[in-house]
Amino acid sequence: AQRVTQPEKLLSVFKGAPVELKCNYSYSGSPELFWYVQYSRQRLQLLLRHISRESIKGFTADLNKGETSFHLKKPFAQEEDSAMYYCARGSQGNLIFGKGTKLSVKP
Amino acid sequence: DAGVTQSPTHLIKTRGQHVTLRCSPISGHKSVSWYQQVLGQGPQFIFQYYEKEERGRGNFPDRFSARQFPNYSSELNVNALLLGDSALYLCASSLYAASSYNSPLHFGNGTRLTVT
Repeated sequence: AQRVTQPEKLLSVFKGAPVELKCNYSYSGSPELFWYVQYSRQRLQLLLRHISRESIKGFTADLNKGETSFHLKKPFAQEEDSAMYYCARGSQGNLIFGKGTKLSVKP
Repeated sequence: DAGVTQSPTHLIKTRGQHVTLRCSPISGHKSVSWYQQVLGQGPQFIFQYYEKEERGRGNFPDRFSARQFPNYSSELNVNALLLGDSALYLCASSLYAASSYNSPLHFGNGTRLTVT
């Protein structure tokens, strides 16, 4: 079965520190990979997609096929980055989500 | 610009009852997907509908059913409710078949279902 693994349930960093949220996926060809974010009291929303190689709100994510990883990174965390982050991969028309990592950025 | 809307926002039901959850997609979106999110877990795929036809089904029992209407809105029905059905039910819409890079999912706020 295809899986998305986010090993950390909670990640706590101080403002200005680098942050890396880990995501590993089970290997299957060329995956469609996404990061979704849910801020407090807001809906789940798309943060970024692998294919576009974009940087959104200072976050980037690089696909490493050798390690089957798609880690989310930001060089300097801000308090407003505190949220739940979900890694997801496309699979036959739907998404398989990881369990999520709660990022807490302390002042 | 209205996003995906779901109703009701909260619902309390008793074991054995049935429930209907409703979803209106973003205008112009033709695909609707349903996900179940149990506390502490990521969303889990239930159904996808595109152009009123079922395009995908997750690993859920037959007690779960859904449909999509000509205006692309959708209903999720759950019969014979169990305590384990308590969860946040998310609806998501997309332009085309869900999860493709060019047609990402847009989620609603969800319906919180509590089964007692």
